Amino acid sequence: GQQVMQIPQYQHVQEGEDFTTYCNSSTTLSNIQWYKQRPGGHPVFLIQLVKSGEVKKQKRLTFQFGEAKKNSSLHITATQTTDVGTYFCAGTRDMRFGAGTRLTVKP
Amino acid sequence: EAGVAQSPRYKIIEKRQSVAFWCNPISGHATLYWYQQILGQGPKLLIQFQNNGVVDDSQLPKDRFSAERLKGVDSTLKIQPAKLEDSAVYLCASSLALDSLYEQYFGPGTRLTVT
Repeated sequence: GQQVMQIPQYQHVQEGEDFTTYCNSSTTLSNIQWYKQRPGGHPVFLIQLVKSGEVKKQKRLTFQFGEAKKNSSLHITATQTTDVGTYFCAGTRDMRFGAGTRLTVKP
Repeated sequence: EAGVAQSPRYKIIEKRQSVAFWCNPISGHATLYWYQQILGQGPKLLIQFQNNGVVDDSQLPKDRFSAERLKGVDSTLKIQPAKLEDSAVYLCASSLALDSLYEQYFGPGTRLTVT
């Protein structure tokens, strides 16, 4: 079945630094979704990427879908303490989630 | 718009006991998902319903787990008998339709501890 891997597993940054998490699939993805889960909370949908090479922006967040639709990335510019949480990617064919990247931000 | 409701929020049981979780999706959402999230891991899809029919239950341990969605609205997930490794948060999510273009809305989850 489809395997979705995320790196890094953990990332600790100083507030104001940038952050990037990567998602890689063993198979071609139809679409990919990104979710954020705050500590003690539930996953909240951030965005969906559908097209090869697609780039979408949400304020300080930039999402990219690889040309081969087998990888994706989430980049946060100038992190803030409100960005703390775990970021998950998920392939939508069988809703297989990656293990997530846990982001902590030092004020 | 009310979100996805789940109950109970917490449950502690002994191994070999039974437990049931309830989920009420967002009104009008045809697709309902149950996930198991073990601490430090991503959500793992257990079962997916479209209305009251099962779309995918390939990762559901059917010897002990069962789920139903009668009338295509509320859903229950049952574990019988529970094992220690079933300790996890059980998340219910719903989406407008089966099409993978729709985002999922997650409920707060039920935290199960099996002792």
